[in-house]
Amino acid sequence: GQNIDQPTEMTATEGAIVQINCTYQTSGFNGLFWYQQHAGEAPTFLSYNVLDGLEEKGRFSSFLSRSKGYSYLLLKELQMKDSASYLCAVQDSNYQLIWGAGTKLIIKP
Amino acid sequence: NAGVTQTPKFRVLKTGQSMTLLCAQDMNHEYMYWYRQDPGMGLRLIHYSVGEGTTAKGEVPDGYNVSRLKKQNFLLGLESAAPSQTSVYFCASSFVGEGPVGEQYFGPGTRLTVT
Repeated sequence: GQNIDQPTEMTATEGAIVQINCTYQTSGFNGLFWYQQHAGEAPTFLSYNVLDGLEEKGRFSSFLSRSKGYSYLLLKELQMKDSASYLCAVQDSNYQLIWGAGTKLIIKP
Repeated sequence: NAGVTQTPKFRVLKTGQSMTLLCAQDMNHEYMYWYRQDPGMGLRLIHYSVGEGTTAKGEVPDGYNVSRLKKQNFLLGLESAAPSQTSVYFCASSFVGEGPVGEQYFGPGTRLTVT
């Protein structure tokens, strides 16, 4: 079967760094996406990885290891507006996105 | 550009009633998708379309039908609503299906309650 695992909830302090992990087992791999979803809103695209390594985009970075079926999203200099759910999604051999349940990130002042 | 829009935003149905959810996109995207999102679960694909006049089943298609008569519109129908269909429904679109430009753009969602 296909499976995406993420922690359900994480708490971090404003100004700190947090790493959200995602492990996956899917039928094929054609890329991994991270999306941000604020409560009551639609998901919005954050990052895409298809090759091993780190992709940096401002305060956000995403890492991929295909051999380990593992990715993480790194958020630096946390701000209160970063309080949201972070969704990991893997594109399988049919180019369909398989979604994790999301990690709810709570930022405390 | 409005992006992806969905109507209605909220709806309450009685068991057995029918309804249609409308999704529209103005980005000239080929691919469109309907998902449902339930607490504690990831987004699950109901149906999708890879172009005007085409539709295909996703992970959880039972109880739903779709149509894509125009490239910019993707309709999701519930013929006989059941309480298990209480959920938040998201429509999304993408330029292509794969790669970094396979990024999906989401509508604001429809919150459906079936009593």
